[in-house]
Amino acid sequence: KAGVTQTPRYLIKTRGQQVTLSCSPISGHRSVSWYQQTPGQGLQFLFEYFSETQRNKGNFPGRFSGRQFSNSRSEMNVSTLELGDSALYLCASSLDRTGTTDTQYFGPGTRLTVL
Amino acid sequence: EDKVVQSPLSLVVHEGDTVTLNCSYEVTNFRSLLWYKQEKKAPTFLFMLTSSGIEKKSGRLSSILDKKELFSILNITATQTGDSAVYLCAVGNAGNMLTFGGGTRLMVKP
Repeated sequence: KAGVTQTPRYLIKTRGQQVTLSCSPISGHRSVSWYQQTPGQGLQFLFEYFSETQRNKGNFPGRFSGRQFSNSRSEMNVSTLELGDSALYLCASSLDRTGTTDTQYFGPGTRLTVL
Repeated sequence: EDKVVQSPLSLVVHEGDTVTLNCSYEVTNFRSLLWYKQEKKAPTFLFMLTSSGIEKKSGRLSSILDKKELFSILNITATQTGDSAVYLCAVGNAGNMLTFGGGTRLMVKP
């Protein structure tokens, strides 16, 4: 089974621009979560999508948004980029079966650099 | 606010040594505790623990959870240079959100 895939793998943008990152979950997985990883803050939860609905949200400004499509693929968007948005953005997917705790599996990440 | 603390921050050992990594947590609506290994990019899944006192094992790695004292340990026996990585502990709540600790950086010298 193919793992979680993320595109692009690397991205360089300038302040004020916007960016869209894409994540394809493991086949059959219905939940997709996004995380930001920086040296200073570690791994922080951004948001989670399930059945095309945002189910949970972390403490990030409204410039960070996302969506999920009917095939469970997800995108996240960051508008008006700031230098501090430079980070590794990780996507994770899980089966999320009712009544069961399912493992989250991570993709390789997108390394975003904001200049 | 949910909190996960890992110790030590970093560790340097020699091949063949045994190491113990610690993870303590304060999380509302605890559902699971997970260990991941991160080398260059994506964290790779090691263990998920949901019940107290049951040890999970995979080769030279093992982990156990204590839900009463709110901590978990990850043991690696007969360490190898390939075990060098950052080990991440994460706690999942009922909302399927993971809260991560800061990680333990392990370096295994030949």
